[in-house]
Amino acid sequence: QSVLTQPPSVSGAPGQRVTISCTGSSSNIGARYDVHWYQQVPGTAPKVLIYGNNNRPSGVPARFSGSQSGSAASLAITGLQAEDEADYYCQSYDSSLSGWVFGGGTKLTVL
Amino acid sequence: EVQLVESGGGLEQPGRSQRLSCTASGFTFGDYTMSWFRQAPGKGLEWIGLIRSLASGGTTEYAAFVKGRFSISRDDSRSIAYLQMNSLKAEDTAVYYCSRHTHYYTSIGWNSEYFQHWGQGTLVTVSS
Repeated sequence: QSVLTQPPSVSGAPGQRVTISCTGSSSNIGARYDVHWYQQVPGTAPKVLIYGNNNRPSGVPARFSGSQSGSAASLAITGLQAEDEADYYCQSYDSSLSGWVFGGGTKLTVL
Repeated sequence: EVQLVESGGGLEQPGRSQRLSCTASGFTFGDYTMSWFRQAPGKGLEWIGLIRSLASGGTTEYAAFVKGRFSISRDDSRSIAYLQMNSLKAEDTAVYYCSRHTHYYTSIGWNSEYFQHWGQGTLVTVSS
C-alpha cells in the first residue's frame, strides 16, 4: 500500500489530454511538501518530469504540467504521443515517516 | 554530464550480504547528498535511504523498512556511494538505483530537493 495514491492506469488517444492524480495526506502533500513527477519506461531508470509541483526541468516538453491543491496533486499531459506510453510516479516527503514516499505508479496507455 | 553507475548486483542466497556501489562522474561528488532506491519486479519505486555530504554532516537516514539491515556509506575520494545489505531476504529482490539529490527553493521558501539524476540500476536477486 503506497503512501500516495495514484490510479493504476489511464489511457488516451494520440493528441488528447490526460491527467494523473496523486492523493496524499496531512503529513506529506497536505503539509506543503512539494510533489515531483517521474516517468519510467519499463526497463529504464526514472526520469523527472516535474519538480516542485509545477516546474519542468530543462528538456521536458511543455506538454507536461503539474498542479497541487491541498493534499492532492496532478500531472497533465496534453497532445498525447505514442512515446508518452510509460509508468508515471508522484513523489513527496512525508514528515511522519521522515522520508521520501511514492505513489504506486500509473500506467499510461496511448491508444 | 552527470553519470551514475551502479554495480555489485547479482544472485545472492538468503541470509547473506551484498554491497552495491554507485560510481559518480561529471560533478563534484563530495558536495552532494546521495540516495538509494529500489524497485521490486513489477512494483513501484521505494526510497531506501540517503547519505549527506560531509559538509552537511555526512549523516544517514533510512526508510523504516530497513530496520538496521542496510547501511549507506560514501568514499568521496573515489566518488562512490555504497549500499551494504545484510541478512538478505527474498523480498529484497529488486533493481537498485542510486540518485543524486538536486536542491531548490520551494514557492514558500523551503530548501527542498528532488532526484534529477539516476543510475541505470543493478538487479539484486535473493534466492537459494
